[in-house]
Amino acid sequence: QQQVKQSPQSLIVQKGGIPIINCAYENTAFDYFPWYQQFPGKGPALLIAIRPDVSEKKEGRFTISFNKSAKQFSLHIMDSQPGDSATYFCAASGSARQLTFGSGTQLTVLP
Amino acid sequence: GAGVSQSPRYKVAKRGQDVALRCDPISGHVSLFWYQQALGQGPEFLTYFQNEAQLDKSGLPSDRFFAERPEGSVSTLKIQRTQQEDSAVYLCASSSQGWGNTIYFGEGSWLTVV
Repeated sequence: QQQVKQSPQSLIVQKGGIPIINCAYENTAFDYFPWYQQFPGKGPALLIAIRPDVSEKKEGRFTISFNKSAKQFSLHIMDSQPGDSATYFCAASGSARQLTFGSGTQLTVLP
Repeated sequence: GAGVSQSPRYKVAKRGQDVALRCDPISGHVSLFWYQQALGQGPEFLTYFQNEAQLDKSGLPSDRFFAERPEGSVSTLKIQRTQQEDSAVYLCASSSQGWGNTIYFGEGSWLTVV
């Protein structure tokens, strides 16, 4: 009930490509869906977050698409750059406040 | 402070040794969280404080794990009689009060139990 499933586990794209990372959740009480970026040796850093009352949110090159009925959400990175190479985590939380994380996607953007 | 600060950054403990990990949250942040991140995995929730009150400790894996935040600011995660399976990165995070406020993570304390 608390699980957040993330795919793919790893992703390799060329510079300028649009990697897409998908997540699915089970708990309908979740009402906050952030994406975090983590570089090796660093803590996760918030990229962008969405609430279930909107279907899409865009911040710079990062876009979240949200499908409430399917209980799925995804991250799109436009015009990806080698500096975007990192591990990306989706997460979800509800009234309990703590985040439930997906298992992560290791993104490599080739120059 | 400018961000969430954790110490030590790296700790090697012999099996059976007790360890204490410290977290300095962002000044004024009411909420404080501890997460455990195994290699190649997403962070997993351990415990949550609001000010000095520990509101949720459901993620603590055993009674060897203990966390405190006595004055509602600095927090300490203590692991007694460490085991090899305790080897992980321990992440502290903080946020201000209110729904949806950004949760900021520290860089973590890397614990290796040998």
